Amino acid sequence: KNQVEQSPQSLIILEGKNCTLQCNYTVSPFSNLRWYKQDTGRGPVSLTIMTFSENTKSNGRYTATLDADTKQSSLHITASQLSDSASYICVVSEPNDYKLSFGAGTTVTVRA
Amino acid sequence: DAGITQSPRHKVTETGTPVTLRCHQTENHRYMYWYRQDPGHGLRLIHYSYGVKDTDKGEVSDGYSVSRSKTEDFLLTLESATSSQTSVYFCASSPGQDTQGGLFFGEGSRLTVL
Repeated sequence: KNQVEQSPQSLIILEGKNCTLQCNYTVSPFSNLRWYKQDTGRGPVSLTIMTFSENTKSNGRYTATLDADTKQSSLHITASQLSDSASYICVVSEPNDYKLSFGAGTTVTVRA
Repeated sequence: DAGITQSPRHKVTETGTPVTLRCHQTENHRYMYWYRQDPGHGLRLIHYSYGVKDTDKGEVSDGYSVSRSKTEDFLLTLESATSSQTSVYFCASSPGQDTQGGLFFGEGSRLTVL
């Protein structure tokens, strides 16, 4: 059973609008939570990484939040651009371990 | 980004044939990984390496083998390809075991087994 669930599976937004992606996980204990962006036909690229003690982390127009008590994270995209069209993957890692649990991703399509 | 290159980027083969995918990194990272990505699934670990000639199995290792003769190269071999191994394969590397120093991915190798 996947320990990382993402929602929605896909969404379409208009350029300039904001959107929020959700990630729920059951990995426990965990070391850090990351969000990756994966463009079509490319490898994933790291956007943010948060340890269990951090609540928020920003990278430009991307802001990730983490609630370790409820085991939830979100990725907020502000003022979306066409280049934000991609799959966004939530990844949770266990302490002192190479093991990573990957969500299936949310596909975001930004339309002009 | 770390310099990780995969080859070939695309390959079509027939059931029962052997296939080798190559991953080359220029960052002198100690740890290297092979994942497969399928629709509706998160990336799943096939095998990983924690040093030259040191490898171990991941969660979906059946039907796959790996070798690492040099720090920079990590090979994934399908001894006898099956249609269920049609997938996109990603190589990744990290400087440390816990990947907190970063996990860097290659561009992927799309394999189709007919």
